[in-house]
Amino acid sequence: GNSVTQMEGPVTLSEEAFLTINCTYTATGYPSLFWYVQYPGEGLQLLLKATKADDKGSNKGFEATYRKETTSFHLEKGSVQVSDSAVYFCALLKTSYDKVIFGPGTSLSVIP
Amino acid sequence: EAQVTQNPRYLITVTGKKLTVTCSQNMNHEYMSWYRQDPGLGLRQIYYSMNVEVTDKGDVPEGYKVSRKEKRNFPLILESPSPNQTSLYFCASSLLNRANTQYFGPGTRLTVL
Repeated sequence: GNSVTQMEGPVTLSEEAFLTINCTYTATGYPSLFWYVQYPGEGLQLLLKATKADDKGSNKGFEATYRKETTSFHLEKGSVQVSDSAVYFCALLKTSYDKVIFGPGTSLSVIP
Repeated sequence: EAQVTQNPRYLITVTGKKLTVTCSQNMNHEYMSWYRQDPGLGLRQIYYSMNVEVTDKGDVPEGYKVSRKEKRNFPLILESPSPNQTSLYFCASSLLNRANTQYFGPGTRLTVL
């Protein structure tokens, strides 16, 4: 079946460090891929998405590229800030009538 | 403002006392869903609905009921809550489109004593 695997963390980085959170998926065809972020005490919100191979999603300095050949959608940011401390979820959606499959989430703490 | 609202945000109750958590969205979304979030277990889907009067079980439906009488509302009902239903609950909605974003409510923290 469809699934999403991501590094679980927790990940602790110093401010201005480079961030990579790995995400790989298992699905047939061409699912849409998403990164959601959950700030402390809040619900999840969309960070970025990509709907076809080689698409790059970007938002707030974060980027992720849909790599069909490696079935991956790794999240990157060149210089993290304390305000980026949150839990990050990778997710996929196969078709309109499927449910969204979420990864387990990766907790990120950025220290000054 | 486009949003998903949940009420209450916090609830402490006792075993066996029926409760309802309400969820409402103002975006005319067809799809609505309930999740629970527990440490180490991530997000697990409880129930979902593709449209009015259409609901289906998710991964962990036991002990929960839902209804979808109106497009905007999707209440979660716990007929006889038990301590293992202590959790953080999220309602979400979206259009029925493979590229569409899920919009999440702010969460309801439920404690069952």
